[in-house]
Amino acid sequence: EDKVVQSPLSLVVHEGDTVTLNCSYEVTNFRSLLWYKQEKKAPTFLFMLTSSGIEKKSGRLSSILDKKELSSILNITATQTGDSAIYLCAVRKYNTDKLIFGTGTRLQVFP
Amino acid sequence: DGGITQSPKYLFRKEGQNVTLSCEQNLNHDAMYWYRQDPGQGLRLIYYSQIVNDFQKGDIAEGYSVSREKKESFPLTVTSAQKNPTAFYLCASTSGGANDEQYFGPGTRLTVT
Repeated sequence: EDKVVQSPLSLVVHEGDTVTLNCSYEVTNFRSLLWYKQEKKAPTFLFMLTSSGIEKKSGRLSSILDKKELSSILNITATQTGDSAIYLCAVRKYNTDKLIFGTGTRLQVFP
Repeated sequence: DGGITQSPKYLFRKEGQNVTLSCEQNLNHDAMYWYRQDPGQGLRLIYYSQIVNDFQKGDIAEGYSVSREKKESFPLTVTSAQKNPTAFYLCASTSGGANDEQYFGPGTRLTVT
């Protein structure tokens, strides 16, 4: 059975800290891995990763995929209170338009 | 302004009543999806449609029904057969093909008492 697992489930940090969120997957016919940020409402897209070892970066956020370890990490440096959200990881398989989501990591950043 | 709209934002119903959640997109996307999100959990797929007049069950389709009569619209009906309907419902769409990103609507929070 296809599975996407995120850790930790919850994380509480102070502003300025650096955090690393983990996503591991057991999925046949892997095509891509996506990261989303969800605040109060709709998830917003952060990154899509298809190739192992190539870092994607956007400001203080970066992500990398390791196909050998079947995992990905999302790093956030110099965290701010606005980074508080649920971070969702999802995997897309070939030959289907479906995404398989993990349970998410809830990040809380306090001043 | 292209996007996905869901209405209403909040919905309250009595147990035993069917309720229909609206999802409309003007992105010209072929594929549309319905997810359910419960507190502390990720998104679980209810139904999806890759083309007009066709749809498939997701992982938790029991107690739900959908239709896809128009490309822009993918309404979800929560029937009285759904045992625990109170949840946050998200609609998404994608252009499919090489673009894997799904775009999400703002969601509808359904409370059934």
